[in-house]
Amino acid sequence: DVKVTQSSRYLVKRTGEKVFLECVQDMDHENMFWYRQDPGLGLRLIYFSYDVKMKEKGDIPEGYSVSREKKERFSLILESASTNQTSMYLCASSPGALVNEQFFGPGTRLTVL
Amino acid sequence: SQQGEEDPQALSIQEGENATMNCSYKTSINNLQWYRQNSGRGLVHLILIRSNEREKHSGRLRVTLDTSKKSSSLLITASRAADTASYFCATDRYQAGTALIFGKGTTLSVSS
Repeated sequence: DVKVTQSSRYLVKRTGEKVFLECVQDMDHENMFWYRQDPGLGLRLIYFSYDVKMKEKGDIPEGYSVSREKKERFSLILESASTNQTSMYLCASSPGALVNEQFFGPGTRLTVL
Repeated sequence: SQQGEEDPQALSIQEGENATMNCSYKTSINNLQWYRQNSGRGLVHLILIRSNEREKHSGRLRVTLDTSKKSSSLLITASRAADTASYFCATDRYQAGTALIFGKGTTLSVSS
């Protein structure tokens, strides 16, 4: 079974803190994605990566950065957390160079106080 | 940017009834996917339909795609309480990588 794991299910941080959200997949997938999900807005793509050390901006990259040093791991970084970044963060991965099924992690619910 | 828009936003039915959800999108696509999300969890892929397909089945799920109308529908037959979830359609970003664009979802409630 494909498994995508995220480092925390729930996280509470203070405004201004640097926050790291980690995602690991065990299926050797080329592509990895970070989304945030907010009520009434659905899933919005923050960043994605199609290869190690490669990254592409999604629809809402402002305030975020990413790192992909190894194929199986994709990190989302909030350089200086703000209250409007309180959200559910979902990581996903998919194989190959074409659009395929994405496999999602369980999500991290981040609260910034 | 939002590509897919699901309709209705919320749907309540009784067990045994059929549930139909619709998705409309704006630009040309290579494929369209449907996902399910149980409360507070990650999404699970249900079905992928390619632009040259008109209908696809998987168990109690039936998906149709009408590229001329830029719309898709997901039919769940003989609904069960366990089908209670949010359902999202997602489209590719036509010739622009492997990322998807998700709609805002339809929340389905099935009561016994």
